[in-house]
Amino acid sequence: EPEVTQTPSHQVTQMGQEVILRCVPISNHLYFYWYRQILGQKVEFLVSFYNNEISEKSEIFDDQFSVERPDGSNFTLKIRSTKLEDSAMYFCATGTRRREQYFGPGTRLTVT
Amino acid sequence: GESVGLHLPTLSVQEGDNSIINCAYSNSASDYFIWYKQESGKGPQFIIDIRSNMDKRQGQRVTVLLNKTVKHLSLQIAATQPGDSAVYFCAENKEGAQKLVFGQGTRLTINP
Repeated sequence: EPEVTQTPSHQVTQMGQEVILRCVPISNHLYFYWYRQILGQKVEFLVSFYNNEISEKSEIFDDQFSVERPDGSNFTLKIRSTKLEDSAMYFCATGTRRREQYFGPGTRLTVT
Repeated sequence: GESVGLHLPTLSVQEGDNSIINCAYSNSASDYFIWYKQESGKGPQFIIDIRSNMDKRQGQRVTVLLNKTVKHLSLQIAATQPGDSAVYFCAENKEGAQKLVFGQGTRLTINP
């Protein structure tokens, strides 16, 4: 069964550094999302992406965050200058239609 | 404001028993609801969904009930197995919105 994959599984970075989290969607999926989950808390929506543009974003998704599909397959989340409070699990989700969201295994980001 | 490190409600049941996990959703405009299962170190896994024009939907060993009057959603798992041990999240979505809004989650433990 096809799955969403994410790399790396764990990323450790120093405060102020840039990180790029990568997601490979299921091949025929057209809708892409990023969510995050701070340890012990709820899963929170960050951004949705469809037809090569952001379709919705949350208050968390400020100017430090960006998303793109650089090669038409990978879907990336970039954090320009990481803060301690960015430490969380970041989940990519993809789907063939708007409300269908299948989640990847996540990338654990640790900012020190 | 939100508290850090939310305490998850927990539910323990004996293997083979039925379990019921409850969720109160917040937005009366939401018209699509999903239950996700999250095992330790993994991303949320889709279990079952329901639209607001229904009040019950059944899957394999799972049933979702929706009570729009009191904004309440429940997940019933029949004949629980050790592999059902996980955190279960409800999520809601409203027409026109991309994001899923996740609930707090319930940790289900199946005792042998």
